[in-house]
Amino acid sequence: DAGVTQSPTHLIKTRGQQVTLRCSPKSGHDTVSWYQQALGQGPQFIFQYYEEEERQRGNFPDRFSGHQFPNYSSELNVNALLLGDSALYLCASSFQPGQGPSYEQYFGPGTRLTVT
Amino acid sequence: QQPVQSPQAVILREGEDAVINCSSSKALYSVHWYRQKHGEAPVFLMILLKGGEQKGHDKISASFNEKKQQSSLYLTASQLSYSGTYFCGTVPVPQYVDSNYQLIWGAGTKLIIKP
Repeated sequence: DAGVTQSPTHLIKTRGQQVTLRCSPKSGHDTVSWYQQALGQGPQFIFQYYEEEERQRGNFPDRFSGHQFPNYSSELNVNALLLGDSALYLCASSFQPGQGPSYEQYFGPGTRLTVT
Repeated sequence: QQPVQSPQAVILREGEDAVINCSSSKALYSVHWYRQKHGEAPVFLMILLKGGEQKGHDKISASFNEKKQQSSLYLTASQLSYSGTYFCGTVPVPQYVDSNYQLIWGAGTKLIIKP
């Protein structure tokens, strides 16, 4: 059973560019959450997708957008990259009937984004 | 709104015990614990729910004091494999009936186990 996969593993972009990160959830999971993790910090919630819609959003600007496909995979897009966007981007999947918070999340290995 | 974890770091010898604490200023629905090793993704350890239900690995124990909005993770007879950064995530009780639940992560507790 494949776990959560993310691509690419590493990415280097220039300030002002746009980037797309991809995530495939664990088999049987229907919900995908995206997190940004700066070095030495805890993950910061970006948003969550369920049934192809953004269900929750953290405190991130509109430059961060996403999408979920019918097969539950997801993309994270970041426009107009800033140096401060350099971080590890984690995708987590879960099976989440309704909106209850009692679910465990399975994380992918992350995408390390460096903005120069 | 971010939960406060303590201590920030702890160094143990193999076989020793440790307690990691997580405290929130908000009424909580649940507390989640994850461990992250350097360069790896966080791994689920346990969920503690309001009302006393727990879900997690048999070898991990934790407590949740709903009245104080505090949780503690107990690591007994520590092994080298326990090393890593431990994160608690808290889910506050929504302020409004139609509000969504959101998992908010602490800054982490770094645990180093020496042989």
